[in-house]
Amino acid sequence: KQEVTQIPAALSVPEGENLVLNCSFTDSAIYNLQWFRQDPGKGLTSLLLIQSSQREQTSGRLNASLDKSSGRSTLYIAASQPGDSATYLCAVKGQAGTALIFGKGTTLSVSS
Amino acid sequence: GAGVSQSPSNKVTEKGKDVELRCDPISGHTALYWYRQSLGQGLEFLIYFQGNSAPDKSGLPSDRFSAERTGGSVSTLTIQRTQQEDSAVYLCASSADRGGEQYFGPGTRLTVT
Repeated sequence: KQEVTQIPAALSVPEGENLVLNCSFTDSAIYNLQWFRQDPGKGLTSLLLIQSSQREQTSGRLNASLDKSSGRSTLYIAASQPGDSATYLCAVKGQAGTALIFGKGTTLSVSS
Repeated sequence: GAGVSQSPSNKVTEKGKDVELRCDPISGHTALYWYRQSLGQGLEFLIYFQGNSAPDKSGLPSDRFSAERTGGSVSTLTIQRTQQEDSAVYLCASSADRGGEQYFGPGTRLTVT
């Protein structure tokens, strides 16, 4: 059974710092991996989608990498801003016709 | 364009009552998912619809939960005889196809008193 773990559970950094959020999964046979952002009381916003054949994806200050063989993904946030404060969720899809399996998230707080 | 919408945004109901939650997916998206987010439990899958195929109901926690998707578009999640442990945020997501990026709605916060 696929399990997704995110470390750390919470992270506080000063504005401007570069940071890395970690995601690991137990079954390397994945179809794709998605990173989401969730603001308090809100739904999920998709940040990046990495297909199993890809090594990384970039969007603005965000870069997500995927190492399928070791069951790991990282989300790199450059030059963090207070507006980046949110919970970041990692989710994997095992096969094309299946649902996402989520980690419990990393809650990020960026102070000005 | 319009994203995934859900209604109501909040629902308070008494234990034992039935509730219906609605999801309007992004137009043209063939895949629709329901998830539940409980405090301390994270996000868990409930049910998945793909086109006209039989839904994947493997995540439904009990037979009090059911869902339907009419005309390949709008979906309704029904919880019968609600219990306090059903209190959670119910999230709907859609994707263009069975392997695509999932887009989530704002969720319905259900409180069972």
